[in-house]
Amino acid sequence: DAGITQSPRYKITETGRQVTLMCHQTWSHSYMFWYRQDLGHGLRLIYYSAAADITDKGEVPDGYVVSRSKTENFPLTLESATRSQTSVYFCASAPGWGMPRPLHFGNGTRLTVT
Amino acid sequence: AQKITQTQPGMFVQEKEAVTLDCTYDTSDQSYGLFWYKQPSSGEMIFLIYQGSYDEQNATEGRYSLNFQKARKSANLVISASQLGDSAMYFCAPYPHLNTGNQFYFGTGTSLTVIP
Repeated sequence: DAGITQSPRYKITETGRQVTLMCHQTWSHSYMFWYRQDLGHGLRLIYYSAAADITDKGEVPDGYVVSRSKTENFPLTLESATRSQTSVYFCASAPGWGMPRPLHFGNGTRLTVT
Repeated sequence: AQKITQTQPGMFVQEKEAVTLDCTYDTSDQSYGLFWYKQPSSGEMIFLIYQGSYDEQNATEGRYSLNFQKARKSANLVISASQLGDSAMYFCAPYPHLNTGNQFYFGTGTSLTVIP
């Protein structure tokens, strides 16, 4: 089925470890986004990508790394996890901005850093 | 970045009543639009409705409608005949334009609770 898939759904890791959250979409959407959601902050943009090999920082990029070697995949890596990165992470995609189209979201990854 | 403000962290409404959720935004763009999303307790993000700045009439989708006031830069979501299933977080997000760097930002959200 077409869609956007995040994995894993739940992840517990220790402070200082590297962890990668995966995002895969089957629509061939140009744009992909990573958000984190924390109580009282809504959704905050971490990184986004306009196409394969094109990425840019959002509001809260520190401590995160992204790559996009293929259009369909947009992994998010926490290089050295900290407790402040405990959050729910959402990946989203959208076609080009020619016509207003809403973002399509994955189901989220709940990450706990102990 | 565009500034989006949702001033109501929490709202309560009686079942079958109407409720208005506020959203204001700060943009210098002449052409723009605004999306509303719903996030139930299960966590998924659901697109509800969109309004473009040049749309002549306020957008409606079933029980959802937008009270769009361009001069005030507000696009409030109106939910008519509230149902228990409307209890959720609601987020507004402006449609990005090229001069904003294609960054899609969200407001901090409003938590709506429908009381039976």
